[in-house]
Amino acid sequence: DTEVTQTPKHLVMGMTNKKSLKCEQHMGHRAMYWYKQKAKKPPELMFVYSYEKLSINESVPSRFSPECPNSSLLNLHLHALQPEDSALYLCASSPGTSGRRTGELFFGEGSRLTVL
Amino acid sequence: AQSVTQLGSHVSVSEGALVLLRCNYSSSVPPYLFWYVQYPNQGLQLLLKYTSAATLVKGINGFEAEFKKSETSFHLTKPSAHMSDAAEYFCAVTPITSGTYKYIFGTGTRLKVLA
Repeated sequence: DTEVTQTPKHLVMGMTNKKSLKCEQHMGHRAMYWYKQKAKKPPELMFVYSYEKLSINESVPSRFSPECPNSSLLNLHLHALQPEDSALYLCASSPGTSGRRTGELFFGEGSRLTVL
Repeated sequence: AQSVTQLGSHVSVSEGALVLLRCNYSSSVPPYLFWYVQYPNQGLQLLLKYTSAATLVKGINGFEAEFKKSETSFHLTKPSAHMSDAAEYFCAVTPITSGTYKYIFGTGTRLKVLA
């Protein structure tokens, strides 16, 4: 199983809503990532978890709140978002320090978020 | 500091023609270099990677890339374009100093294949 699964695929929310994006992998990877991708742009790193601990936060606004409940699961909690937060949110994973360091990231198909 | 430059935000080729997508990098340490492909409304899929072994790297779907240290380049090629190759292509570099990877992406090249 070499998949990273993201749900939902599409999400529409108002600026006062609270919602969550979910990411799951069963490859035994110990590092998980959230990226934000605007149209016609490369992905921008938001957060990295290593061994369920937040290791990188790229100065992301607090209306985005990541959570890593276990080594297979990564959530992104969304609250009071702005229309400019509309984007494709990509999850990725990598083996972590215990695995062979190839540098490869395994990406999910993304969650398309629209904020009204 | 590391950086990646992709020359040409849009490239058009005829079906059956050579595909050449350009990527130049700068890095103060030996880099690991990658090409990813992204089809519309999908995630990124690894095409190939250079990790300091062979300088000519073969990937999926008939793509290959050559690492040229003297030119700081890692251009992506495919001898004969297929309609299904139409997509966005990203070159990326990352240091491998820890178990987590902080990619630097190029700005991307959109490949259009003409019938």
